[in-house]
Amino acid sequence: QKEVEQNSGPLSVPEGAIASLNCTYSDRGSQSFFWYRQYSGKSPELIMFIYSNGDKEDGRFTAQLNKASQYVSLLIRDSQPSDSATYLCAVGGFQKLVFGTGTRLLVSP
Amino acid sequence: DVKVTQSSRYLVKRTGEKVFLECVQDMDHENMFWYRQDPGLGLRLIYFSYDVKMKEKGDIPEGYSVSREKKERFSLILESASTNQTSMYLCASTPSRGVPLHFGNGTRLTVT
Repeated sequence: QKEVEQNSGPLSVPEGAIASLNCTYSDRGSQSFFWYRQYSGKSPELIMFIYSNGDKEDGRFTAQLNKASQYVSLLIRDSQPSDSATYLCAVGGFQKLVFGTGTRLLVSP
Repeated sequence: DVKVTQSSRYLVKRTGEKVFLECVQDMDHENMFWYRQDPGLGLRLIYFSYDVKMKEKGDIPEGYSVSREKKERFSLILESASTNQTSMYLCASTPSRGVPLHFGNGTRLTVT
């Protein structure tokens, strides 16, 4: 069983819409949760991190964490074609970070 | 701004060669990591280090070794390269556990 699961997509949304990306994890002891964006051929770059239950907003991005249900999500408001990328969910315990395989997002003009 | 520099962007090596991938970070971070990324498998942790001269195996250490002689430098060594080690290799660092990783630009290694 995968420790961090994401739908591989692609998730297609029109420009200006809200994109909703989801991630579930298996380790109940996980303490840190991250979303990375990765453009094709590039390395991952941090978008958001969240440590506590609830919502955390940064510009057009909102991370949501529900530890009881063991899921974390990323909402992208007013999606832009430049948001088209693969989004990686990463979940951290005490020692290491485990990555999901990513969800590919396509934003069409 | 944190800078994590990987010595090569693209590398082509032959089967059986010993391969060195170098990574240097400039922010005095304690923790450094080596991942490989393959389509459909995501990022998988090879080795990590929480201090100089210290190393710990990740999820897929077989066929690899590492060296951390100085705090800023973490090297990944493929003792005898094989074709199944063709991959994108990503180095990352972080000042402490539980905080975001900073990634280098990656090295795309092809073993023929």
